[in-house]
Amino acid sequence: AQSVSQHNHHVILSEAASLELGCNYSYGGTVNLFWYVQYPGQHLQLLLKYFSGDPLVKGIKGFEAEFIKSKFSFNLRKPSVQWSDTAEYFCAVNGGNTGFQKLVFGTGTRLLVSP
Amino acid sequence: DAGVIQSPRHEVTEMGQEVTLRCKPISGHDYLFWYRQTMMRGLELLIYFNNNVPIDDSGMPEDRFSAKMPNASFSTLKIQPSEPRDSAVYFCASSSGLAGADTQYFGPGTRLTVL
Repeated sequence: AQSVSQHNHHVILSEAASLELGCNYSYGGTVNLFWYVQYPGQHLQLLLKYFSGDPLVKGIKGFEAEFIKSKFSFNLRKPSVQWSDTAEYFCAVNGGNTGFQKLVFGTGTRLLVSP
Repeated sequence: DAGVIQSPRHEVTEMGQEVTLRCKPISGHDYLFWYRQTMMRGLELLIYFNNNVPIDDSGMPEDRFSAKMPNASFSTLKIQPSEPRDSAVYFCASSSGLAGADTQYFGPGTRLTVL
């Protein structure tokens, strides 16, 4: 079965530290990749997405992610985190043999940024 | 655009009662998704509709759960009878299938507590 793995379940950083959250997927073939963020008490919001083209994708709030097809990875990065980045981050994938409408989510990574 | 609208935002009920959750997708979107989020299982897709027709309900946990979409602007998720293990946050999302692989936009969720 298709799956999305987020290896870090909890991450604690100080402000200004750099962030990298891992995401790996198990599909073969063409996929679309997403990172969503869920701030405390809020709904999921799209951070960035990759459909095709430049594998380095820039999203909102200074986040970026790089699609490495050979590694089945789509890691999220931010050079300098802020306290307001405290949230849960979800990687998601569609495509492959589940079709392009069905999103499969990873289990999420809780990020806590201390001021 | 108001985004995806869900009601109620919070629901507390007793075991055995019927619960109905409501969702209004973004106008013009032809896909609608229902998700459940729990600490133990993360985000799970329950069912999704295309043009008001259920396409995949393989994630619906059991017969106590049912979902309908009588028109393009309204969907319900019903649990009858409810059980304590149904306590979760239920999200509705919508997307436009024009590109075949578009972004899902999430509503604020309904936090359900079954006592």
